[in-house]
Amino acid sequence: NAGVTQTPKFQVLKTGQSMTLQCAQDMNHNSMYWYRQDPGMGLRLIYYSASEGTTDKGEVPNGYNVSRLNKREFSLRLESAAPSQTSVYFCASSALAGGSNEQFFGPGTRLTVL
Amino acid sequence: QKEVEQDPGPLSVPEGAIVSLNCTYSNSAFQYFMWYRQYSRKGPELLMYTYSSGNKEDGRFTAQVDKSSKYISLFIRDSQPSDSATYLCAISSGNTPLVFGKGTRLSVIA
Repeated sequence: NAGVTQTPKFQVLKTGQSMTLQCAQDMNHNSMYWYRQDPGMGLRLIYYSASEGTTDKGEVPNGYNVSRLNKREFSLRLESAAPSQTSVYFCASSALAGGSNEQFFGPGTRLTVL
Repeated sequence: QKEVEQDPGPLSVPEGAIVSLNCTYSNSAFQYFMWYRQYSRKGPELLMYTYSSGNKEDGRFTAQVDKSSKYISLFIRDSQPSDSATYLCAISSGNTPLVFGKGTRLSVIA
């Protein structure tokens, strides 16, 4: 049981390049989330998917797109990376949507945009 | 005013000390209160979960919720070097995603 996995673990991009961060969970959870974590800013929600087929914006969605590929997988795409998107990105999942449910986090992707 | 406020620290204490970590919140609709622990270069993990008001104890950890003051606390008794981590409060009304505090970085010195 791997839990939540993320790829890649590290990435360096140049300004304007695009990339997709991958996330998968094997806990049969309905809901999945993408966060970014910056020093002094805590965890901020980018997008979430309450269930397969639905996605919603979080607190900081600008510059990102998401795809809920199936129940297991939820990807985050940066179409034209900017230095302000340098951050650590975490994917999480929970059995159901809503804040009453425990979220399980992946190990994170460290992204640097030059 | 942010929905959840948490002093980022850092906080440094000697081994064996009692640690108090706190968050304040602004939305009286919040009913679900969680504490996550995050070790360096790892993802957060749920540590404590409280619904509505009151206390919850789990070993050396106690979570308190004071809804009248919109104030939550996490106490760590007999702190150990292995407790060194960042502690994040997370709060929700239940119908909306969790709102996280900025996290408090704790160092327990042997």
